[in-house]
Amino acid sequence: DAGITQSPRYKITETGRQVTLMCHQTWSHSYMFWYRQDLGHGLRLIYYSAAADITDKGEVPDGYVVSRSKTENFPLTLESATRSQTSVYFCASSESRQYTEAFFGQGTRLTVV
Amino acid sequence: KQEVTQIPAALSVPEGENLVLNCSFTDSAIYNLQWFRQDPGKGLTSLLLIQSSQREQTSGRLNASLDKSSGRSTLYIAASQPGDSATYLCAVSNAGGTSYGKLTFGQGTILTVHP
Repeated sequence: DAGITQSPRYKITETGRQVTLMCHQTWSHSYMFWYRQDLGHGLRLIYYSAAADITDKGEVPDGYVVSRSKTENFPLTLESATRSQTSVYFCASSESRQYTEAFFGQGTRLTVV
Repeated sequence: KQEVTQIPAALSVPEGENLVLNCSFTDSAIYNLQWFRQDPGKGLTSLLLIQSSQREQTSGRLNASLDKSSGRSTLYIAASQPGDSATYLCAVSNAGGTSYGKLTFGQGTILTVHP
């Protein structure tokens, strides 16, 4: 199916563990983004990518790592999960940075215990 | 730094009312402004996209306006229905510096339409 999909939808992990959230889009959009959504903070940008092998930090990048070896995939890795990283994570993509809509995945609810 | 504010934070109206949601932003250097809808536990669904050169966009019962110079946008919902109940988010795509079309979001307006 065309679109943007995230996996897993729900994840519980322990403090200190590494966890990777997956994001896959079928449109071949150049731009991809990771946001986290928290009560009281709204949606905040973690990392973004303008193309394969081009990534850059957003507003809250500490503790996260991204890679983009293929245009369609943009995984987000928490190197050593902390409780403050408990959040809902959204991946998004857009065709261009100027003129087109951003499309969001369904989100991954991550709980760090 | 771009800041986006949405007013009101919450709104409860009876079915059938016309209503207006407000969004303001501090930096007028934007590519576009996008309105989203978010249902509880779900992702964001794009409702309307207004380019910086446009004044308004319409989709069904929704009409969004943009006044870039004053840093304001409104989302007008006509003849509201209980199914419109959701959180509405506005986001601007920043044009300043190495923005790469990054979106800055408002905190959202929680809309409840009761029968």
